[in-house]
Amino acid sequence: DAGVIQSPRHEVTEMGQEVTLRCKPISGHDYLFWYRQTMMRGLELLIYFNNNVPIDDSGMPEDRFSAKMPNASFSTLKIQPSEPRDSAVYFCASSLRGAQDTQYFGPGTRLTVL
Amino acid sequence: SQQGEEDPQALSIQEGENATMNCSYKTSINNLQWYRQNSGRGLVHLILIRSNEREKHSGRLRVTLDTSKKSSSLLITASRAADTASYFCATDANAGGTSYGKLTFGQGTILTVHP
Repeated sequence: DAGVIQSPRHEVTEMGQEVTLRCKPISGHDYLFWYRQTMMRGLELLIYFNNNVPIDDSGMPEDRFSAKMPNASFSTLKIQPSEPRDSAVYFCASSLRGAQDTQYFGPGTRLTVL
Repeated sequence: SQQGEEDPQALSIQEGENATMNCSYKTSINNLQWYRQNSGRGLVHLILIRSNEREKHSGRLRVTLDTSKKSSSLLITASRAADTASYFCATDANAGGTSYGKLTFGQGTILTVHP
C-alpha cells in the first residue's frame, strides 16, 4: 500500500484565498483524522471521521474551516477565506480502529498564507 | 494544559548512550502510544501500550506505563545518529471506560544524537 497520500505538499497563497487540502487514506481504514501542527500549539486534532461520517469536529478553529469525506478513499479540508494565522503543516492520518489502533500519517501539507 | 506532556523538552546525547523520555497525562486512558517525527515529515508510530500492560519492547525501544502515576517512559538503548527526531506520546483518553475516540498528543521531546 502507498500509505496515506496528501496533496499538495506545499501551498503558498494570499490572505483571503480559498485553500483545499486533499487526503487519500489507506484502503480499508475506517477512520480518518485531520491534524494541524504549529510551533506554538503543537499537534492539534481538527476533525475525525468514522466510515465517512464526521464524529468530532470540536477542534475545527472556526467557520472558515470545513472538512468533507464524500467516500472512503477521499477527504478534503477547506479553508475559506484563509488568513496568515492558518499557516501550519496539516496532516491527514488514517487507522483501522481509531484511537485504539496505530494511526498512519501522511507526509503533510505545508501551508503558508501571506 | 496538555493531556500528554513530555519531559524533557530537548535531549542531547552521544551515539551509543541510552535516551529516556517521559510522558505524563491527566485522565484515565485506554492506551498510550509513542510516535516519532523526523524534521519535515509525518509522524511514524513506534509502539502502543494498553492500560493493562506495564512494559513493552520493540527492538531497541522499551516503553513502561504506570497508570497509578499517570506516566509513561520511552527508553531508546544504544542510540544512533539516525534516532535524531522528535518523539511524541499520545493518549486515548476515556470517560468511565468509554474512549473519546481520538488521540491527544503531547508537545514532544526533541532528541539529538551526536555521532
